[in-house]
Amino acid sequence: NAGVTQTPKFQVLKTGQSMTLQCAQDMNHNSMYWYRQDPGMGLRLIYYSASEGTTDKGEVPNGYNVSRLNKREFSLRLESAAPSQTSVYFCATIAGGLQETQYFGPGTRLLVL
Amino acid sequence: GNSVTQMEGPVTLSEEAFLTINCTYTATGYPSLFWYVQYPGEGLQLLLKATKADDKGSNKGFEATYRKETTSFHLEKGSVQVSDSAVYFCALSGITGGFKTIFGAGTRLFVKA
Repeated sequence: NAGVTQTPKFQVLKTGQSMTLQCAQDMNHNSMYWYRQDPGMGLRLIYYSASEGTTDKGEVPNGYNVSRLNKREFSLRLESAAPSQTSVYFCATIAGGLQETQYFGPGTRLLVL
Repeated sequence: GNSVTQMEGPVTLSEEAFLTINCTYTATGYPSLFWYVQYPGEGLQLLLKATKADDKGSNKGFEATYRKETTSFHLEKGSVQVSDSAVYFCALSGITGGFKTIFGAGTRLFVKA
């Protein structure tokens, strides 16, 4: 089992470019999450999907869109990248309720110039 | 509001030293508490958790006790190893009306041989 996989591992964009970060899980989990990690700020939730077919905003959704393509895949799109979106992005899943363990992907490092 | 506060790092210790990383929280309801660890270049992974007051989570020699009276969940290890060098995140979830996990800012630990 691969667990949670993310692509790409690293990306450099110019301001205004667009890109999609991919996340896939083979754990048959219902809920999927996108976080960004910035120095000294912990992880902040961008969007989440409680189940296939639903998505909701987290605490920092501006500048991002998401798609829950099926139960396995949850993508994050930056339509017009800005330097403030330079960060490390993590996808995570939970099998059931929030009192359960989250499983994280290895992350995507994004640099916006 | 709901929040998690961790001691600032970095924490630098010699091998076999005693480790404490402080974590306090503010939350409505009865949250579950977690410690996650992030090794260089990787995503977060669960280290231990506790779901109710007075529970003790333990794993790999690390321990933390859910103290409701002091709203704390301090991480301890009796004898650290070089391989414990990582960033440690305290987190809570399952708060009343909440849909997300709240993470502390993280504490970086360096262990010297």
